[in-house]
Amino acid sequence: KAGVTQTPRYLIKTRGQQVTLSCSPISGHRSVSWYQQTPGQGLQFLFEYFSETQRNKGNFPGRFSGRQFSNSRSEMNVSTLELGDSALYLCASSPGSEITDTQYFGPGTRLTVL
Amino acid sequence: DQQVKQNSPSLSVQEGRISILNCDYTNSMFDYFLWYKKYPAEGPTFLISISSIKDKNEDGRFTVFLNKSAKHLSLHIVPSQPGDSAVYFCAASATGGSYIPTFGRGTSLIVHP
Repeated sequence: KAGVTQTPRYLIKTRGQQVTLSCSPISGHRSVSWYQQTPGQGLQFLFEYFSETQRNKGNFPGRFSGRQFSNSRSEMNVSTLELGDSALYLCASSPGSEITDTQYFGPGTRLTVL
Repeated sequence: DQQVKQNSPSLSVQEGRISILNCDYTNSMFDYFLWYKKYPAEGPTFLISISSIKDKNEDGRFTVFLNKSAKHLSLHIVPSQPGDSAVYFCAASATGGSYIPTFGRGTSLIVHP
């Protein structure tokens, strides 16, 4: 099976712009979660989608949004970018039916905001 | 408020010796724990997990120990190899709660040849 893929791998934007990141989960996985990783902060949970519905949401401002399509692919959007949004954005997929399902992570998208 | 804490940002170990990575949690609802390993420029990969009904789980060179009364878990790697050099994340979830694991900030392990 192909792993989780994320596009693009690297992105440079300027403050005030918006950005859309894409995630393709492992075939058959219905849950997609998004995380933000910054130096020294570990993985901060953004949101999780399951069968096109947002099932869980972390503590991030409304500038961060997401959606999931019928084929389970997911996109994350950040509007009005701020310097502090510079981070590695990781997507993870799992079957999503059991809480103990292992999450499989993609390689991430490195976003730099100038 | 950090519910999952990895108090050692880094750990340096000699090849062949034991590596012990520690993790503490505060939420008593957590009952399922995982360790992930992350190499630079890659996403985290699942390593090993343990349910709160157990106090130990082994998988090859990796063993996770859980002390529920102390709200503490540790990952032992024996023997350590240079390829084990990576950032290790501890994560915890509440099976009666949301599906989302809470991650610690990670410990960078360096194994010297």
